Amino acid sequence: RKEVEQDPGPFNVPEGATVAFNCTYSNSASQSFFWYRQDCRKEPKLLMSVYSSGNEDGRFTAQLNRASQYISLLIRDSKLSDSATYLCVVNRDNYGQNFVFGPGTRLSVLP
Amino acid sequence: GAGVSQSPRYKVTKRGQDVALRCDPISGHVSLYWYRQALGQGPEFLTYFNYEAQQDKSGLPNDRFSAERPEGSISTLTIQRTEQRDSAMYRCASSLSGFGDEQFFGPGTRLTVL
Repeated sequence: RKEVEQDPGPFNVPEGATVAFNCTYSNSASQSFFWYRQDCRKEPKLLMSVYSSGNEDGRFTAQLNRASQYISLLIRDSKLSDSATYLCVVNRDNYGQNFVFGPGTRLSVLP
Repeated sequence: GAGVSQSPRYKVTKRGQDVALRCDPISGHVSLYWYRQALGQGPEFLTYFNYEAQQDKSGLPNDRFSAERPEGSISTLTIQRTEQRDSAMYRCASSLSGFGDEQFFGPGTRLTVL
């Protein structure tokens, strides 16, 4: 099993749609979870950290399920500018800084 | 303010040559990371430093790869005797401290080994 798995997509959704991505991770000792966004030919940028209790930032909601070892990202009211690749990131062990990036899920928001 | 910078942005080299890739992190950032990214994949961890100390180099593929950060600021990733399979985008990131902090990525160095 890969350390971090994501559905590569692409997810093609109309503007205004709600879309959800899941990410599974294999190491139960992981403590740090993030979603990064990467535009085509650009560097990754932090979208949001993922906290145990779940967290929301505007149209974006992240959830963590430790028991099932998955992380989700929900995007409401999709905008054209949300088109990007979304990378799930998990640290390899406890409180270490060795981070594993998933392969990414590609989202295209269509007009 | 200035972000993370990397140089060169593009490097074409012949198989067997050594290359040195430079990363200039955000001023004051303690942690510096090196990643390699293949097309269509997420970044793959290579190594990281806190200050000048290399804390984890488990992601370096083999002993042809090395990295240093002698004064706790600028870092160099060196690949000796390059091979075609080393062709990739090499990305550097820095964070203010470490665990849990946002990583700021540089624009990357695109390495092509002919």
